[in-house]
Amino acid sequence: AQSVTQLDSQVPVFEEAPVELRCNYSSSVSVYLFWYVQYPNQGLQLLLKYLSGSTLVKGINGFEAEFNKSQTSFHLRKPSVHISDTAEYFCAVSPNTGGFKTIFGAGTRLFVKA
Amino acid sequence: NAGVTQTPKFRILKIGQSMTLQCAQDMNHNYMYWYRQDPGMGLKLIYYSVGAGITDKGEVPNGYNVSRSTTEDFPLRLELAAPSQTSVYFCASSLTAYEQYFGPGTRLTVT
Repeated sequence: AQSVTQLDSQVPVFEEAPVELRCNYSSSVSVYLFWYVQYPNQGLQLLLKYLSGSTLVKGINGFEAEFNKSQTSFHLRKPSVHISDTAEYFCAVSPNTGGFKTIFGAGTRLFVKA
Repeated sequence: NAGVTQTPKFRILKIGQSMTLQCAQDMNHNYMYWYRQDPGMGLKLIYYSVGAGITDKGEVPNGYNVSRSTTEDFPLRLELAAPSQTSVYFCASSLTAYEQYFGPGTRLTVT
């Protein structure tokens, strides 16, 4: 079974500052990892994914994440945030053995202040 | 290309009533999913389908039923609504088993 822990429920940050949203996971099998973003009153949309290969993954809107297998982490980063990045961010994990049951973290609300 | 559509957007039910949440996708995806989202809890998988005629339970299936008669449609049925089913419901679809595309959600209140 898999589980996902997002270490911060809320992250306030000033515009143009860097941000890191932390995600740890546990799994008895190898996994694929995802970050999704949810803007207010909308569904989730994929930011980036790690399936294999390079552990540094680049996504949309200037976000990137690094897969660290030894620390079982997949932290999301952006060097300079904008007001428009205010949203909820979800880390998710799926077993790479063909399972369909993606497990989502509880979410981190990013609030960008002017 | 509308992607994943859900109806209705909002609904208020009385305890014991039934309803069907509609979900459709026009991307010819084989895989479809229903999630519920509760504050601070992330998304919990209710049911999923790997193709027309094939469905299976997720993490929290009690009180819900699904059917998948076509590739495009994946309705979620609530029988005998209870206050614990107050939530936001999201439908999603995917071409592969991994990257999912979400609908805009249905906000359901049971009173």
